[in-house]
Amino acid sequence: AQTVTQSQPEMSVQEAETVTLSCTYDTSESDYYLFWYKQPPSRQMILVIRQEAYKQQNATENRFSVNFQKAAKSFSLKISDSQLGDAAMYFCASAGTASKLTFGTGTRLQVTL
Amino acid sequence: DVKVTQSSRYLVKRTGEKVFLECVQDMDHENMFWYRQDPGLGLRLIYFSYDVKMKEKGDIPEGYSVSREKKERFSLILESASTNQTSMYLCASTPPANGGKGEQYFGPGTRLTVT
Repeated sequence: AQTVTQSQPEMSVQEAETVTLSCTYDTSESDYYLFWYKQPPSRQMILVIRQEAYKQQNATENRFSVNFQKAAKSFSLKISDSQLGDAAMYFCASAGTASKLTFGTGTRLQVTL
Repeated sequence: DVKVTQSSRYLVKRTGEKVFLECVQDMDHENMFWYRQDPGLGLRLIYFSYDVKMKEKGDIPEGYSVSREKKERFSLILESASTNQTSMYLCASTPPANGGKGEQYFGPGTRLTVT
């Protein structure tokens, strides 16, 4: 069984600043994958970034990067140079060898001018 | 680009009605999923299917059933809708080769209100 915990229901960041969204997880599987998904007001879920647990190197996608701490079971998302378009719900998720995703409860990110 | 479509963006039904939510994907994906999304609870898996005619229960299957007669179509059925099934319903798909590695491709969601 997998569990994913997001302890920040809401976060706020000023435009051009950096923000970090927290996520912790628990899993009994040795081979698993972690994801951050973004859900803007349009409701379309979009994959932001993916991390394979066997890789030690933290994943990076342009302004988005993760801090993957395997021993601590922590998987935080850092957004640099925040833009108005980054305002959305962000979900952390994990998947084991099957394709099923387990989601956290989400963090609503506001971006202010 | 992978496209996952859902039959309705908004749906209003009465208590006791039978409700069908349709999901279609155009990329020949084997795996398809139905989630419901509620504030403060995130997304929870209702049912999923690894192939045509196959279905497996997710974490909250009570009150729901599914149908997968064709590979590209995965239907969620509320046999007798109740007010506690008012929610956002999201469909997703993924090819089997990705397993847990790949992303799930989501539809735009159906906001169902049961009155």
